Amino acid sequence: EPEVTQTPSHQVTQMGQEVILRCVPISNHLYFYWYRQILGQKVEFLVSFYNNEISEKSEIFDDQFSVERPDGSNFTLKIRSTKLEDSAMYFCARTKTGLGETQYFGPGTRLLVL
Amino acid sequence: DAKTTQPPSMDCAEGRAANLPCNHSTISGNEYVYWYRQIHSQGPQYIIHGLKNNETNEMASLIITEDRKSSTLILPHATLRDTAVYYCIVRVHNNAGNMLTFGGGTRLMVKP
Repeated sequence: EPEVTQTPSHQVTQMGQEVILRCVPISNHLYFYWYRQILGQKVEFLVSFYNNEISEKSEIFDDQFSVERPDGSNFTLKIRSTKLEDSAMYFCARTKTGLGETQYFGPGTRLLVL
Repeated sequence: DAKTTQPPSMDCAEGRAANLPCNHSTISGNEYVYWYRQIHSQGPQYIIHGLKNNETNEMASLIITEDRKSSTLILPHATLRDTAVYYCIVRVHNNAGNMLTFGGGTRLMVKP
């Protein structure tokens, strides 16, 4: 199974700035997920996305976060006003068929908020 | 999803089999056992999963006890590149609660 691709691989931003992280789609993949991992901590679920709608989200995924996949293009995670504690690795994952199927992860984007 | 318990760390000699245990004593009948690994800060890599039968693929074997309360991931011939954190996760296959809940995992160190 091919993995997803994520861009950028690294991003440095100032606190309060907006960032957009991208997950490059494979056309027959419909289910997407975002996870994050703060340095030295566990991988944490953020949100799942299917058919242009959020399926499920965690407590972490507050109003500062949004996801979209406009017109079948890249699957994006937007952080509207970054905080220092948003510094983390952000991983996109996808399944090929159903929401219950195996999730395959991308290489991640390392976000550093200064 | 049910919780899992794994030893925090293990060592293995290169070329030997690595046997990573996982306890999931509260697993439900419809929950699968999944194994992922994470090498340094890379994205988690899927290894294998199973429901109740033992499974084998090109990466590893998964042995699930008959009562399904524990399982063992076996890397038959560990190499230095298998040094990673290995996560055992139990989850259902349905349209709700599809998140993967990662614990602390087992840090496997393969030594020359």
